Amino acid sequence: AQSVTQLDSHVSVSEGTPVLLRCNYSSSYSPSLFWYVQHPNKGLQLLLKYTSAATLVKGINGFEAEFKKSETSFHLTKPSAHMSDAAEYFCVVSKAGGGNKLTFGTGTQLKVEL
Amino acid sequence: KAGVTQTPRYLIKTRGQQVTLSCSPISGHRSVSWYQQTPGQGLQFLFEYFSETQRNKGNFPGRFSGRQFSNSRSEMNVSTLELGDSALYLCASSRGSSGGAPDTQYFGPGTRLTVL
Repeated sequence: AQSVTQLDSHVSVSEGTPVLLRCNYSSSYSPSLFWYVQHPNKGLQLLLKYTSAATLVKGINGFEAEFKKSETSFHLTKPSAHMSDAAEYFCVVSKAGGGNKLTFGTGTQLKVEL
Repeated sequence: KAGVTQTPRYLIKTRGQQVTLSCSPISGHRSVSWYQQTPGQGLQFLFEYFSETQRNKGNFPGRFSGRQFSNSRSEMNVSTLELGDSALYLCASSRGSSGGAPDTQYFGPGTRLTVL
């Protein structure tokens, strides 16, 4: 079975400073990994995905994540936070060949302060 | 291109009733998945339909069922509603691949179900 652990339930940063949201995964198979963002009262939006190609994945809005097999991590980063980045972020894993059954982490609430 | 649409957006029911939620995928998408989001359990996978067949199923009781039509639209039904079924129900669509490889899923805004 596959699972993801988001290490921080809440992260607070100042606008213009770097963002780091941490995620560790567990999978018996070669996983596909995703980061989704959910703004209040909105659906989920895909930020980026890893599917065994390049280990450094670039996404939308300046976000990127690096797949590190040795550390079983897939942390999400952004060099400079913007107020509009305030939202809940989900790390997600899917088993290769398992169709579209996604397993979500518990989420990290990102707060961006002036 | 229109996104994933879900109807209704809000619904209030009482215990014991049943409810049907509808999801229209992005044009050309053949896979539709359903998820339940609650504050206590987070986001949980319910089931996935691909070409009118259930391809994956989560760990939910049989009260939760779904179906997909030939135009890829999907409905989800919950019978004998319980208070704990109050949640945001999200639908996601994707192109779908016959080999079962996960592809990018696009989520709708959700249906907020409240059970009284």
